[in-house]
Amino acid sequence: DTGVSQNPRHKITKRGQNVTFRCDPISEHNRLYWYRQTLGQGPEFLTYFQNEAQLEKSRLLSDRFSAERPKGSFSTLEIQRTEQGDSAMYLCASSLDRARGGNTEAFFGQGTRLTVV
Amino acid sequence: KQEVTQIPAALSVPEGENLVLNCSFTDSAIYNLQWFRQDPGKGLTSLLLIQSSQREQTSGRLNASLDKSSGRSTLYIAASQPGDSATYLCAVKIAAGNKLTFGGGTRVLVKP
Repeated sequence: DTGVSQNPRHKITKRGQNVTFRCDPISEHNRLYWYRQTLGQGPEFLTYFQNEAQLEKSRLLSDRFSAERPKGSFSTLEIQRTEQGDSAMYLCASSLDRARGGNTEAFFGQGTRLTVV
Repeated sequence: KQEVTQIPAALSVPEGENLVLNCSFTDSAIYNLQWFRQDPGKGLTSLLLIQSSQREQTSGRLNASLDKSSGRSTLYIAASQPGDSATYLCAVKIAAGNKLTFGGGTRVLVKP
């Protein structure tokens, strides 16, 4: 168990460019979540997956955002045509359902810090 | 809509003092509540998970209580140390597979 891994840790991009982040959850975890956190605030939910199925998307997730978890393992979050307001920490979490022997405790990665200039 | 509030937003105590951090939520129909620690620029570290059927959880110097009827949880940290300085976040889940709803956090500074 190596924990939740996120890459890259930091990303600086110019406004209008596309960026993609990757999250590798704890290996047996079936749920994967994406959150966004701005300075001084608690994380806000963006979207989550059960295995490969995307089950819920927040209203925060505009059309410029897309997330995938193609084989129910790692996930990617892409932001197209980035704006300065997208600057934030993007956090990934994973958990294991009780039906699979877990307790639904969420474990977070170290996050990807995005700066749009 | 579930809302989670943490007061105060910041707290400063001398080393050795016990810390009491508060978390309140508006909808008592929760599935579980989780406390996290976050160091500056880092991700979240899970401290304690309290299931809806539980009243408290303990881990070392940490103890968290849950009172669903009043919509409150309290995190106690005994004999604080400078290394406890961090932001503490609470979050609630309303269903098994559902998202976490976070409070804004309490930023703690423990002075040597």
